[in-house]
Formats: sequence, C-alpha cells, structure tokens
Amino acid sequence: SQTIHQWPATLVQPVGSPLSLECTVEGTSNPNLYWYRQAAGRGLQLLFYSVGIGQISSEVPQNLSASRPQDRQFILSSKKLLLSDSGFYLCAWSHSGQNTEAFFGQGTRLTVV
Amino acid sequence: QKEVEQDPGPLSVPEGAIVSLNCTYSNSAFQYFMWYRQYSRKGPELLMYTYSSGNKEDGRFTAQVDKSSKYISLFIRDSQPSDSATYLCAMCGWRSNDYKLSFGAGTTVTVRA
Repeated sequence: SQTIHQWPATLVQPVGSPLSLECTVEGTSNPNLYWYRQAAGRGLQLLFYSVGIGQISSEVPQNLSASRPQDRQFILSSKKLLLSDSGFYLCAWSHSGQNTEAFFGQGTRLTVV
Repeated sequence: QKEVEQDPGPLSVPEGAIVSLNCTYSNSAFQYFMWYRQYSRKGPELLMYTYSSGNKEDGRFTAQVDKSSKYISLFIRDSQPSDSATYLCAMCGWRSNDYKLSFGAGTTVTVRA
C-alpha cells in the first residue's frame, strides 16, 4: 500500500531564516506531487505541483520554491521566510497520468516569528 | 465567482442526526468528485470518490452528484461525535494535462453527544 510521509509536524522559524519541508511517498512510482497551504478557516491553496522529476509548476507567485530531486521526494523551500509564510502546509500525491483523488500527508504547521 | 462554493458553516447537530453537506460548482468540465474529512491539525483524509451523476454509499456515508445542477452532496447517517471535523469537497476534470483538484472552503461540523 502507498504511504506519504511529511515532516516536521511543527516548526517555528524566525523571519528571514531559510525553510526546507520534505515529503516522500512510498509504494507507488511516478506519482503526481503537490504542495498546498491552508490558512486558518480557509480552503486549500495549491502552491506547486509536479508530474515528474525536475518538473515543477507554480500556481502562486510567492516567497517559496519547490523541487523534486527524486521520483518520490518533494521539497518545499524558502531562502528567507516572511511572517506571511505562516500556515499549515500539506503535501499530497495522486496516481500518475490520471485525474484521480489525492492523498495527503499529515501536514506541517509553520509559525514564522 | 469561485469555481467551487461550499458553505463554511459551522454546522452543529445532535448525535444520531443526519448531517447534510453540499457544494456547488461552475465548471461543467468537472467529472470526478471527492469528499475529504479533516480533523483539527491533521491532513485531509479521503472519504468518498465518485464519477458521474448518481449516488454512492459507503457505510454511513452517501455521496450524491447532480451534474445537471452542478451540485454535490454528502450525507452522514447516524452521526457520531467522532464525525466532528471539517469536510471538504474537491473535484477535477478529465483532461490529460490537468492534474489539479479544485477544493471547496470546507464545512466545519460538530456532533453533540
């Protein structure tokens, strides 16, 4: 069966510091991978998605970037965090080549102070 | 106008009641419809996945799709306090290069014991 791992669960970072959130998927090959952000009481905002290694699509211009160095690894990064980057970050995957349901990790709660 | 509209609630019901949730959408290309349950500070968990109009049952959960009205529903029978969560609808179209889900804002449900 497929599993998705996302870490850390909670992170407190000072303004101006770098960020690296990692997500890995097990049990499937060439998944579609996604990074979402969820603000308190609001829906999911798609930040990035990837359909293959090195292929990243950005949905919202911002202070963040994403990379996919390996087939089942997706990384969300920032060189300098802003207060507005605080939020709940979710990694998700879906089956390759199909418009199917997405499966989510447990999320990272980021607080920028 | 948002692509997917969902009443954020909150919705409070007594234990044993039927919970009725719904979403409307504007994009006639949507073909696949999903409902997710999200507990506080956790990632969304897939509850139901449907394709085409009609009903789909899974235990106490029934998903309903009416493509002619661009309206989907989720019913929870015999609701339990453990059903207290935020419920998100999601949908996507059938295009080979479009792997993105469109989400509703989520409805917060509380089942009172």
